[in-house]
Amino acid sequence: DADVTQTPRNRITKTGKRIMLECSQTKGHDRMYWYRQDPGLGLRLIYYSFDVKDINKGEISDGYSVSRQAQAKFSLSLESAIPNQTALYFCATSDLKGREETQYFGPGTRLLVL
Amino acid sequence: AQTVTQSQPEMSVQEAETVTLSCTYDTSENNYYLFWYKQPPSRQMILVIRQEAYKQQNATENRFSVNFQKAAKSFSLKISDSQLGDTAMYFCAFVGEEYGQNFVFGPGTRLSVLP
Repeated sequence: DADVTQTPRNRITKTGKRIMLECSQTKGHDRMYWYRQDPGLGLRLIYYSFDVKDINKGEISDGYSVSRQAQAKFSLSLESAIPNQTALYFCATSDLKGREETQYFGPGTRLLVL
Repeated sequence: AQTVTQSQPEMSVQEAETVTLSCTYDTSENNYYLFWYKQPPSRQMILVIRQEAYKQQNATENRFSVNFQKAAKSFSLKISDSQLGDTAMYFCAFVGEEYGQNFVFGPGTRLSVLP
């Protein structure tokens, strides 16, 4: 089974709709992240959480909100979807062990906003 | 703020040949971590190799190796004996060592391995 899962894998929605993307992990990591990927721009950080009570805005948080329901679950919501939020969304986890940190990614959610 | 640059949007290489992907970064920190991630058509992000800045020795993972030049802030990825399965987007990434740092990704290089 995958260590980091995302649901749904693909989603089509209409402008103005509220949608939620979910992320679950079985790695036991404290840190979780949401990124969006656009062609030519790499990955940009939307929100991140270092533990259940810690939520932080990333580079491009406007139009998004998150919820850390448990150590293993981190959801991303688009309050009122707009077409320029069409992108590939990734959840990631990490755990600072000693002097090493690596991020492990979910499979991604492809979102199309019409 | 840290930045990561990948100056080659696209590259191609013949199967079994060697190819080098470039990455440069900008930071004022002394210790940090650098990564190469691979994203095949399946879109999964897969860690290829990791380098810690305070280690002089270049990291190696099977056919993948890096040339880490700390003074030049350069972190290139060499793929030897290229295989068709190496066709993917490759992202260079940076994260500082201090608590609270976040990853910074480059824009990616699309690599095509030709038969």
